Amino acid sequence: NAGVTQTPKFRILKIGQSMTLQCAQDMNHNYMYWYRQDPGMGLKLIYYSVGAGITDKGEVPNGYNVSRSTTEDFPLRLELAAPSQTSVYFCASSYTGTNEKLFFGSGTQLSVL
Amino acid sequence: DQQVKQNSPSLSVQEGRISILNCDYTNSMFDYFLWYKKYPAEGPTFLISISSIKDKNEDGRFTVFLNKSAKHLSLHIVPSQPGDSAVYFCAAKPNDYKLSFGAGTTVTVRA
Repeated sequence: NAGVTQTPKFRILKIGQSMTLQCAQDMNHNYMYWYRQDPGMGLKLIYYSVGAGITDKGEVPNGYNVSRSTTEDFPLRLELAAPSQTSVYFCASSYTGTNEKLFFGSGTQLSVL
Repeated sequence: DQQVKQNSPSLSVQEGRISILNCDYTNSMFDYFLWYKKYPAEGPTFLISISSIKDKNEDGRFTVFLNKSAKHLSLHIVPSQPGDSAVYFCAAKPNDYKLSFGAGTTVTVRA
């Protein structure tokens, strides 16, 4: 079982560059999420999706964009990378949105220099 | 605005003894609480959860206690084992899908 797969695992960007973090799940989950974790902080929700074609902002959406064209994939786009976006990014999924555990990918360590 | 707080960044415990991790929350709308465990270079994995209608939930060596009046929950690990060394995140949600996470507690189990 692959579960939630994130690529790449590590990436260094220069200020102003753009990139897409990939996330795919094979569990037929409706809900997908992007979180970021900064040192000494809890995970913060960036964007989420309740199904293909439906996305919405979380707590910290500025500087990011998402799309959900299929149930399986939920890419996160960084436009004009800034040092403040240096973080570890986690993608997660769940079948429903209520009282259910989330399954997480292994994360992407991103540094913007 | 941190709605879920884990005030102890780290905890060191001897193998075989009890580990107690604490978590406080401020949002009275939270009605479902989870603990996640995270090893280095891996994503968080679900450990145990509790609904607000209960005050205790047990799963093997792991027990979560919920005190709604104090807005406090704790995770007990008995007995602690070396494989329990990890970062533990407390998380809480209202009746929707938006989890709020604490900053985590790093547990080190000494042999």
